[in-house]
Formats: sequence, C-alpha cells, structure tokens
Amino acid sequence: DIQMTQSPASLSASLEEIVTITCQASQDIGNWLSWYQQKPGKSPQLLIYGATSLADGVPSRFSGSRSGTQYSLKISRLQVEDIGIYYCLQAYSAPWTFGGGTKLELK
Amino acid sequence: QVTLKESGPGILQPSQTLSLTCTFSGFSLSTYGMGVGWIRQPSGKGLEWLANIWWDDDKYYNPSLKNRLTISKDTSNNQAFLKITNVDTADTATYYCARIGAIPTDYWGQGVMVTVSS
Repeated sequence: DIQMTQSPASLSASLEEIVTITCQASQDIGNWLSWYQQKPGKSPQLLIYGATSLADGVPSRFSGSRSGTQYSLKISRLQVEDIGIYYCLQAYSAPWTFGGGTKLELK
Repeated sequence: QVTLKESGPGILQPSQTLSLTCTFSGFSLSTYGMGVGWIRQPSGKGLEWLANIWWDDDKYYNPSLKNRLTISKDTSNNQAFLKITNVDTADTATYYCARIGAIPTDYWGQGVMVTVSS
C-alpha cells in the first residue's frame, strides 16, 4: 500500500499568514493527489485535484504543488473560514490512501 | 447538480451485517469513467477509503477489511451499496459515499453515522 505521510499534524497560524501543509508519498503517484478541507460535522470538500488544479469555487488563495513525491497545499493569506482539518488523498493505486490530516487553528 | 446521500441502520449489534445505500443524482453510473466510492471516519479520527465501484462494474476493496466488504450498484435507480459483514465496535463511524470521475471524489454525501453496540 502507498503510505501518505502528512505534516504537520496540527498548525496554529494568524490571519493573513501563509500556511503550507505537505504530504509525502511512499512511492511515485504522479499527479494523482487531491486535497480536502473538512469542517466540524461536515463532509470533506475538494480543494485541489491533480496535485495542482483548483476545484471549482475554491478561492485562489489555495494552491497545490508537487516536487517529486512531496506534495504541498499552500494558503497564501489565511482567512477565518479556512479553519478546519485538511487531508490529502492518493488515487494512483488501490487501496486509495489518505494522509493523517492537519488540524489548522487560528493563533 | 450532483448530490449524494447515504442511508443506513443507525445502530446495529456486533456480528451483524451493515448495509449502506448511496442514492445520487446529477450523474449516472452507466457513464464511461464514472464511479462511486465509500469512505469512513470514526469520530475524531481520520478518513479511511473502503471501496470503489465503476461504471463497468469493476470493483476495488481495501484489503485491510479483508473479505468483509461487498460493493454493488443499481444503475437504473442511481444507487450504490456497501455491505460490511461481522461488524464490531471498530466499525462505528460516519460513512460517506463520493462520486469518482475524472476527478477522484469530487462530490461527497453528507455522511451517515453508524454505531455498533451491544
């Protein structure tokens, strides 16, 4: 199985700050990497797919990048509505696997 | 507009079989490349992918649940199903279904909570 190591597990940041979350894949997954945001009591919402493509309706302050088997989600200017838990997902090969999640809080 | 909604028993006892239904609209599981996946999340924990079913009836299962999972579909009624046999308390979770297309899991249902308790 492909392991997705997500870091950090938790993050406290200030409004307007730049936030970066990473996922390290245990092997090559190409661009089959998606990022999701989950708020309390809600289902995950797609932010980024194909490692770098912004999903419809997602603010442009969110961006995704890839360097080899390391994938990053960047929030350029943190807003209060960005608070939640973020997950990455590899859909390159079964079983699909999620990162452990990053809990993003306001400082 | 794509929507998905999960339904299930709410509560069941250990060793029983959990049957979940995903009723969706806005896409068809008879369309080339389309699929539905099931994912679960224990309260306060992370996400675990369970199984996918595709337009051509191809299926993938998470081997960590061994032979306990069965996924199926009713294309005519826009539904997908997941059965988990021999449940125990570790299967207590919120279960989600999600659409799979050119973008893996772009739309998710609201989730259904399932509690396994004696």
